[in-house]
Amino acid sequence: AQKVTQAQTEISVVEKEDVTLDCVYETRDTTYYLFWYKQPPSGELVFLIRRNSFDEQNEISGRYSWNFQKSTSSFNFTITASQVVDSAVYFCALSEARGGSNYKLTFGKGTLLTVNP
Amino acid sequence: ETGVTQTPRHLVMGMTNKKSLKCEQHLGHNAMYWYKQSAKKPLELMFVYSLEERVENNSVPSRFSPECPNSSHLFLHLHTLQPEDSALYLCASSDRGIHEQFFGPGTRLTVL
Repeated sequence: AQKVTQAQTEISVVEKEDVTLDCVYETRDTTYYLFWYKQPPSGELVFLIRRNSFDEQNEISGRYSWNFQKSTSSFNFTITASQVVDSAVYFCALSEARGGSNYKLTFGKGTLLTVNP
Repeated sequence: ETGVTQTPRHLVMGMTNKKSLKCEQHLGHNAMYWYKQSAKKPLELMFVYSLEERVENNSVPSRFSPECPNSSHLFLHLHTLQPEDSALYLCASSDRGIHEQFFGPGTRLTVL
């Protein structure tokens, strides 16, 4: 069975600090995809990134960066120079093939990030 | 409208009421999902529709009844709910064969 663990329930930082959100996953699939979503107070989950299991290159998008390490089954997310608008719940997720081109996302419990001014 | 929309955004209902949640996607996707998000719990997948056919039902009580009349619309019909059903109900859509799902803003449901 697939599992995603986000050990950090809540993190609080001061604006401009860097912060890393941890994600550890378990799967028996050899091909899988990892995701990060952001859920601001408005409720909508916003897709941030998808990573496939064959691509371990780190990715940077503006102030966001992701570190994928298969050796430790981790897919960590770093926000550099955090801003108040980054305050949200962040979810890590893992996809599982269900057959017939259907997929299921397994989500972690989320990390509540609060960025204080 | 763009993306995934959900109506209503907030709903308060009594245990004997019947109501429906509506989801509409404007992304040309062919798979749609209902999730339940309760406080302090992970997102729970409730139903999956692919090409308008229900392909997954995760042991959801029969008081929740989904309907997918076409690839753009998804409904969740509610009747005789319990207070523990109070939660944020999220709709999502995706393309079959593509993993990422795109979510609507959710309906915040309160059952009195």
